[in-house]
Amino acid sequence: NAGVTQTPKFQVLKTGQSMTLQCAQDMNHNSMYWYRQDPGMGLRLIYYSASEGTTDKGEVPNGYNVSRLNKREFSLRLESAAPSQTSVYFCASSPRDSPSNEQFFGPGTRLTVL
Amino acid sequence: GENVEQHPSTLSVQEGDSAVIKCTYSDSASNYFPWYKQELGKRPQLIIDIRSNVGEKKDQRIAVTLNKTAKHFSLHITETQPEDSAVYFCAASRGNNRLAFGKGNQVVVIP
Repeated sequence: NAGVTQTPKFQVLKTGQSMTLQCAQDMNHNSMYWYRQDPGMGLRLIYYSASEGTTDKGEVPNGYNVSRLNKREFSLRLESAAPSQTSVYFCASSPRDSPSNEQFFGPGTRLTVL
Repeated sequence: GENVEQHPSTLSVQEGDSAVIKCTYSDSASNYFPWYKQELGKRPQLIIDIRSNVGEKKDQRIAVTLNKTAKHFSLHITETQPEDSAVYFCAASRGNNRLAFGKGNQVVVIP
């Protein structure tokens, strides 16, 4: 099993450009999450999907959109990138609708917006 | 929403000594408290977790204690080794599909 995979690993954008971060898991998990990690700020939830077909806002959703394409895939889109979105983005998944089970993280995408 | 705070932000310990990291949470309805370890440049990984119906849990050199009355929980690492050097994140959840993470503690084990 590959676990949780993310593409790309690194990305540099100019202000105003758009891009989609891809995430896939092969563990048959119901729930998937997108976090951003900034120095000294911990992991902040952007959006999550409790199950296929549902998405909900997290702590910092502004400037982002998500799509739960199917049970395996959960993408994060930046429509018009801003320097404040420079961060490391982690996707995670968990086996049931409650997070009282382990969340498994992907390797992360390091995004720089110039 | 839930607010999770970690103290201290950085902790340096001599190899072989113990390290203790404390987290406080605000939501009395929170019932699940995991700890994640993140090595430099790597992804966070769960190392131990505890539910609100348990006061303490151990797994080899690591343990977590929970005080629901005071709304705090702590990670204890005994006989620290260089490979314990990492950032440790605590989190809390009330079982609503969301984890609220603290800002992390940098633990440095000095050989």
